[in-house]
Amino acid sequence: NFMLTQPHSVSESPGKTVTISCTRSSGSIASNYVQWYQQRPDSSPTTVIYEDNQRPSGVPDRFSGSIDSSSNSASLTISGLKTEDEADYYCQSYDSSNQDVVFGGGTKLTVL
Amino acid sequence: QVRLVQSGAEVKKPGASVKLSCKASGYTFTRYHMHWVRQAPGQGLEWMGIINPSGGSTSYAQKFQGRVTMTRDTSTSTVYMDLSSLKSEDTAVYYCARDSGGGAVFAFDFWGQGTMVTVSS
Repeated sequence: NFMLTQPHSVSESPGKTVTISCTRSSGSIASNYVQWYQQRPDSSPTTVIYEDNQRPSGVPDRFSGSIDSSSNSASLTISGLKTEDEADYYCQSYDSSNQDVVFGGGTKLTVL
Repeated sequence: QVRLVQSGAEVKKPGASVKLSCKASGYTFTRYHMHWVRQAPGQGLEWMGIINPSGGSTSYAQKFQGRVTMTRDTSTSTVYMDLSSLKSEDTAVYYCARDSGGGAVFAFDFWGQGTMVTVSS
């Protein structure tokens, strides 16, 4: 079993770039794809990144994902921040050893 | 377009059961697995399990085994999630979420609007 650890909160100004990390506690981050979900207040989650770095249609290219084996972490980067990007962001992966879905604890992004 | 429409809010007493529904449209129902994910107030997302709408096979998170049952009705393109022996800690919003792969890849592409379940005496 592994955990995904995210910062509790991040904040940045409009127009800037922010990166949210997601660190895997054991096993390789590259072993299973990482997804990122955006959840605005009182709304259902939506996918912003799947399979580590793929963007669903309709998601602006300001959103990008990557993984870094050296730090065993995944990252979500949002450039050109807009106030509408203010939301909770969750990373997610799959633990194939016990057929379990693992979510990070979520990061609250404030754009101020 | 893909839509997942969930049933309405529920209020239950401790020890009772609740059965939620999730009606799918806009795609071939049997081609994509469906998951249930819940979110307690102010908390993060928690995966509960998956059902294959084609054959009805299921896999549940260990935490919920013995208390959760997922079923489907292919004639109405609806999946159901039954949670028994409810406790106050089960108070949460429950989401159905479609698996993004043709086979189960345990990632989600579309989500329902959520159903609030309140467990209170």
